Amino acid sequence: NAGVTQTPKFQVLKTGQSMTLQCAQDMNHEYMSWYRQDPGMGLRLIHYSVGAGITDQGEVPNGYNVSRSTTEDFPLRLLSAAPSQTSVYFCATWGSGDTEAFFGQGTRLTVV
Amino acid sequence: AQTVTQSQPEMSVQEAETVTLSCTYDTSESNYYLFWYKQPPSRQMILVIRQEAYKQQNATENRFSVNFQKAAKSFSLKISDSQLGDTAMYFCAFSFLQGAQKLVFGQGTRLTINP
Repeated sequence: NAGVTQTPKFQVLKTGQSMTLQCAQDMNHEYMSWYRQDPGMGLRLIHYSVGAGITDQGEVPNGYNVSRSTTEDFPLRLLSAAPSQTSVYFCATWGSGDTEAFFGQGTRLTVV
Repeated sequence: AQTVTQSQPEMSVQEAETVTLSCTYDTSESNYYLFWYKQPPSRQMILVIRQEAYKQQNATENRFSVNFQKAAKSFSLKISDSQLGDTAMYFCAFSFLQGAQKLVFGQGTRLTINP
């Protein structure tokens, strides 16, 4: 089992470009979430999903879109990248009955 | 809204010493989870220890233990016999029992173990 796989691991974008961060899981978990990590601020929730077809906003959703067409995949889209979106992004999953979240290895995104 | 506060941005101790990382939180819920996550330079988020709020007994995992004070909303992590491999960023986190997809994290404490 791969667990939670994020791609890419590193990315540099120019301001205004768009891109999609991929998150795939093979654990059949219902819950999936995206977090961003910034120095001195810990991890903050961007968007989350409680199942295929259901998504909702977290604490810092502006500038990001998500969709959940399958249980396995939860992509995060940046429609027009801004320098303020320079951060490390984590995808996490959680299955019902579990008592912990499982994280991907993170994506370091730099917007210049 | 739930909040988690880690008041120690950085800590440094000598190898084999004991170190305690502080965490306080705020919630009106009575049942929830609390976690400590370790993030080494590899960036991977590693679960260190978990506490269910409805359990009075403090959780322990080998050299790691917590002091959970529910009334004071305090959740500190004690690392005994610290090792060089414990050097990492440590995050305290809160989760509802229902709504586990919405973790709330503290700001983090960067811990350095010196030889």
